[in-house]
Amino acid sequence: DAKTTQPTSMDCAEGRAANLPCNHSTISGNEYVYWYRQIHSQGPQYIIHGLKNNETNEMASLIITEDRKSSTLILPHATLRDTAVYYCIVRVAGANAGNMLTFGGGTRLMVKP
Amino acid sequence: GAVVSQHPSRVICKSGTSVKIECRSLDFQATTMFWYRQFPKQSLMLMATSNEGSKATYEQGVEKDKFLINHASLTLSTLTVTSAHPEDSSFYICSAPDSLNEQFFGPGTRLTVL
Repeated sequence: DAKTTQPTSMDCAEGRAANLPCNHSTISGNEYVYWYRQIHSQGPQYIIHGLKNNETNEMASLIITEDRKSSTLILPHATLRDTAVYYCIVRVAGANAGNMLTFGGGTRLMVKP
Repeated sequence: GAVVSQHPSRVICKSGTSVKIECRSLDFQATTMFWYRQFPKQSLMLMATSNEGSKATYEQGVEKDKFLINHASLTLSTLTVTSAHPEDSSFYICSAPDSLNEQFFGPGTRLTVL
């Protein structure tokens, strides 16, 4: 799996959008960008994933650059409960792919009142 | 999405004792499960891959005789920390992929060895 680079930490005001960047300049053509988050003392929680098109679900939006070398996770209206470590992972998806996930350092997002 | 459970959620034990942690996939079958360890303020580190019907595969530096893994069925994997010592205190997390190879994580087990 390709390596990713994320800022160590970020702050965001409650109610504002949180934009979390991720660099994955060595991503391969068949690798997806996945985002997970981990709230303190809990297991990681899946947020969203995408290949090349922008994606949106009830939790977040994922913006992937045209060259696919970077992406941004957007939490449109951050709440205090969004305080967590956010992990950007690139991996091959699908039933024939290797299953394990390799976690980098992630970004510690602190949402402040 | 699929649900993965872990038991216990928290355990405190004396040094030298063994501790068993269970990981269950509640609504799907998983021939493979993964065990991670996470020390405070650090990321998750893969310890081993649990394989139903065969031996687990361990990451470099993880002692297989200390961290015994048994994948007893398609919905259950257990991790036993044998002769636990204070340095084994950590947050242990399992994950299991569903049929589409999407990973689902358990809530984690906090182990404290006194």
